[in-house]
Amino acid sequence: TQLLEQSPQFLSIQEGENLTVYCNSSSVFSSLQWYRQEPGEGPVLLVTVVTGGEVKKLKRLTFQFGDARKDSSLHITAAQPGDTGLYLCAGPYGGATNKLIFGTGTLLAVQP
Amino acid sequence: EAGVTQSPTHLIKTRGQQATLRCSPISGHTSVYWYQQALGLGLQFLLWYDEGEERNRGNFPPRFSGRQFPNYSSELNVNALELEDSALYLCASSVGLAGDNEQFFGPGTRLTVL
Repeated sequence: TQLLEQSPQFLSIQEGENLTVYCNSSSVFSSLQWYRQEPGEGPVLLVTVVTGGEVKKLKRLTFQFGDARKDSSLHITAAQPGDTGLYLCAGPYGGATNKLIFGTGTLLAVQP
Repeated sequence: EAGVTQSPTHLIKTRGQQATLRCSPISGHTSVYWYQQALGLGLQFLLWYDEGEERNRGNFPPRFSGRQFPNYSSELNVNALELEDSALYLCASSVGLAGDNEQFFGPGTRLTVL
């Protein structure tokens, strides 16, 4: 059972467009993290959201944690080709704060 | 400051052989994690070591094992390799039990089993 479902699975857009990626679960998470992974590299941590309803901004990226701490979203404004990559949400589970479960991933391609 | 390093970058083995993958964490980090990223299966948690002890284990058979050395580096051993073990194996490190769970990943080892 995949605890974290991401949508969409694939997204191909033109430079300058806006997009939103969703990470949903039926379980409550104490925190959620977002990573970006580029081909041939490991995931790079973008942000950690901890409080229900929290909104964090990282330049053109806006992250939101749902009020019930079961879901999160990532919104990118005016996407750039450099935003291309696999976006993963992740959260601790199983009572072990250091054991992460990862979402199914969203593969984003931004065309110039 | 150096990030998480992994070796080798690529590894090609045949079915039934053993593979050993290595990881050096960020300086000051005591926790090391191993993940498997297989095509179509996403990132799956394998093992977590902290202060030389195995703290948690994912849903993988016993032929996946590892250890953490006194300098906090780690090895992942995969015995009796099967074709479906072909994947990118990622190592991550964090400050350990006393810290938050922000994990920093290495570039991975691409294991191909023929």
